[in-house]
Order: sequence, then structure tokens, then C-alpha cells
Amino acid sequence: AQTVTQSQPEMSVQEAETVTLSCTYDTSESDYYLFWYKQPPSRQMILVIRQEAYKQQNATENRFSVNFQKAAKSFSLKISDSQLGDAAMYFCAYRSPRDDKIIFGKGTRLHILP
Amino acid sequence: EPEVTQTPSHQVTQMGQEVILRCVPISNHLYFYWYRQILGQKVEFLVSFYNNEISEKSEIFDDQFSVERPDGSNFTLKIRSTKLEDSAMYFCASSEGHTDSNQPQHFGDGTRLSIL
Repeated sequence: AQTVTQSQPEMSVQEAETVTLSCTYDTSESDYYLFWYKQPPSRQMILVIRQEAYKQQNATENRFSVNFQKAAKSFSLKISDSQLGDAAMYFCAYRSPRDDKIIFGKGTRLHILP
Repeated sequence: EPEVTQTPSHQVTQMGQEVILRCVPISNHLYFYWYRQILGQKVEFLVSFYNNEISEKSEIFDDQFSVERPDGSNFTLKIRSTKLEDSAMYFCASSEGHTDSNQPQHFGDGTRLSIL
């Protein structure tokens, strides 16, 4: 069974600095999708970024980028130029192309220090 | 930007009572999902729904749970006889595409269900 592990329950970063959130996963599949979702205090989970496993190039979305290491089964999220609005719970997630379900990690709560 | 909306935001129910959680998915989406998050734990998949039937469900989704799309816009999760351990945040999600596509699932704000 696939699992997603986020080893950092909480992190803090100074505003305008860069922070990296870690995520590892376990799977026997070669093709899959990986996601980072953000859940601000208003509660709605928002998709931040996604990566297809067959793509070697790391996905980027403005200030958000990932470091996808397929062999190591690692999928970290880098947030550059952190802003107060980035404060949220961040979930790393996995989905098989064969399944409907998304498998989530436990989340990392990110605090932005002014 | 279109959103998934869920009502109510907070539901308090006596143990043993039935509860219905409501969701309005994004209008052109065809695939619908329910997840739950018990306090301090991971978000867990419950069920997916397509073409008026369940397409996948987890072992959590037992006979106490049911889902329905009663009209063209709502998607509901019913818990027949609630238990204390059903207390959780319940998230609805919808997507345009299905398993082999890269269409993301869009989540609602969630309904916090508290069982007394």
C-alpha cells in the first residue's frame, strides 16, 4: 500500500525567506501523481502544485517549486520569498492513476514570522 | 474561480442520530469524493462517485454511510446512526477527470461534525 510521510509537524520561516517542506512516499508503482495542497485557517484545501512521476522536470508555480527525486521517493516543496499569506497547513499527497483516492501525509503547519 | 461549497460548516449531532452533509461540486465536474480528517490525523479517503454510483470506497465507508446525488447540483453524505468516532472534519471534493487523468481534485471548506 502507498504511504506518504511528512516528518515535520511544524515549521517557521521569516517573511521573505525561503523554506523547504519535506515529503517522502512509498509505492511500488512507476507512474503516479504527486501534489502539495495548502489549507489556510479558512479551511479550504487548495492545490498548490502537482507533479507527474513520468516527468523529470520539477514543477514550478510562481514562488512554489518542488524537488522531485523519484529514485529516493522524495517530493519536497520550496516556497521562495515567503509571505504572511503562505501561513497554512501543507499536505503532501499521492495518487495512483488506477485509483480515485488521494493519499495524504499528516501535514506540516507553516508559520510565517513577520 | 468556481469552488466546491459545503454546508453546514459545523454540525452538532447526538450520538445515534442521522446526519446529512451537503456539498455542491463545481458545475462541470463529473467525479465526486468524500474525505474525512479526524482531529490530529491524516485526511482519509471515504468514497468516490461517478455516473450516479459509487466507483470506489475505503474500508471506513461501511453500511452506516451512504452517498447520493439527489439532483443536478448536490452531492450528499449520510451517516445513519452516528457514533462518537464519526466526529471529524468531512471534506467534499470534485474533479473534471478520472483516475488516469491529471485533473486535480478540488476541495470544499469542510464540515466539522461533532457527535455528542
